[in-house]
Amino acid sequence: DTGVSQNPRHKITKRGQNVTFRCDPISEHNRLYWYRQTLGQGPEFLTYFQNEAQLEKSRLLSDRFSAERPKGSFSTLEIQRTEQGDSAMYLCASSGGQVRETQYFGPGTRLLVL
Amino acid sequence: RKEVEQDPGPFNVPEGATVAFNCTYSNSASQSFFWYRQDCRKEPKLLMSVYSSGNEDGRFTAQLNRASQYISLLIRDSKLSDSATYLCVVNTYLGGKLIFGQGTELSVKP
Repeated sequence: DTGVSQNPRHKITKRGQNVTFRCDPISEHNRLYWYRQTLGQGPEFLTYFQNEAQLEKSRLLSDRFSAERPKGSFSTLEIQRTEQGDSAMYLCASSGGQVRETQYFGPGTRLLVL
Repeated sequence: RKEVEQDPGPFNVPEGATVAFNCTYSNSASQSFFWYRQDCRKEPKLLMSVYSSGNEDGRFTAQLNRASQYISLLIRDSKLSDSATYLCVVNTYLGGKLIFGQGTELSVKP
């Protein structure tokens, strides 16, 4: 499967714990995006990278959130001191850098904070 | 006001019906427009891009009215397999973030 992959697919954690998610984009894609989706809502943008550079961060991305893409390939999203409000689906997408390119989404990581 | 607004539905229609979804966006500088489809507990998948001239893909027709900042999706001869949430999406600059509407839920019944 050469699509976007995300790990883990599900994560249950206790409030206050740290969690880290991984995204592997489609191999030739230079842009990588993170979104968050809660029940009954559309995905909301969190941040995006072009190669290893983080070009934009949403105001939704509090100080407890950090994302990296150290070698311009896979990316990690870490949430420190999780809160119940962090419970959501975290979606990763990648695109190929051409004009009007399509963003392809991974299957998501579903986080539940107890 | 949300940047992209959709009627959340649900729309319950019989097989074979024609159904139309509408969407409005607030940023007149928006560059690109899409409809994504999302099945329950799955990731969004691109259904079609939307162009000013309107475009059709089989049973699906999308239209864009830049003056009114309005996007539509028409599904003809609906199938059971069309049951999903349809997300209206805009992009304010090429290659940048996607801004999603809340999604409109469609349920096609036999």
